[in-house]
Amino acid sequence: EAQVTQNPRYLITVTGKKLTVTCSQNMNHEYMSWYRQDPGLGLRQIYYSMNVEVTDKGDVPEGYKVSRKEKRNFPLILESPSPNQTSLYFCASSYRGSYGYTFGSGTRLTVV
Amino acid sequence: GENVGLHLPTLSVQEGDNSIINCAYSNSASDYFIWYKQESGKGPQFIIDIRSNMDKRQGQRVTVLLNKTVKHLSLQIAATQPGDSAVYFCAETGSARQLTFGSGTQLTVLP
Repeated sequence: EAQVTQNPRYLITVTGKKLTVTCSQNMNHEYMSWYRQDPGLGLRQIYYSMNVEVTDKGDVPEGYKVSRKEKRNFPLILESPSPNQTSLYFCASSYRGSYGYTFGSGTRLTVV
Repeated sequence: GENVGLHLPTLSVQEGDNSIINCAYSNSASDYFIWYKQESGKGPQFIIDIRSNMDKRQGQRVTVLLNKTVKHLSLQIAATQPGDSAVYFCAETGSARQLTFGSGTQLTVLP
């Protein structure tokens, strides 16, 4: 089944403890993206990747890092999480960029 | 649900009626528009798209209308069913890089 898989689905962590949210797609898509979703603010892009080793900042990149060493994986790294990063995170992939994203099921992150 | 927010517009319709969800977009340079459906606990799911050189596109039970003059997009759902209850987002883009989402509308289908 064609899909975008994120792990974990739920995560509670403490301020300052580094964490990684994994994202993997099995559709051989070149484009991958991370979004966060907050009430009243909709979905906002964090980082974007056009291909292996090619990444770029989105609208809200502060406090996040990404890497794209393989085509199928696009992990989101929070080096020192803070409570304002408590949110619902979505990974998405596409063969044609923003013209056709498939989204994962989301990761609910709580930073205390 | 995860998408309930103070500023999330809501729409309630009777089962079997038609639904119309509206969206105002911001960028006159956008050339591609998408409607997504998000059910509680799930990621956004593609419903239908439309390019800026069109003003109407139909799918199965759904129709998207685009009015570029007033930068307005609408999604019409025919014979609304309980399974249509969800948050609906419009999204716009003018490049492969950036997809901008609206804040969403919560659709509730009443029995």
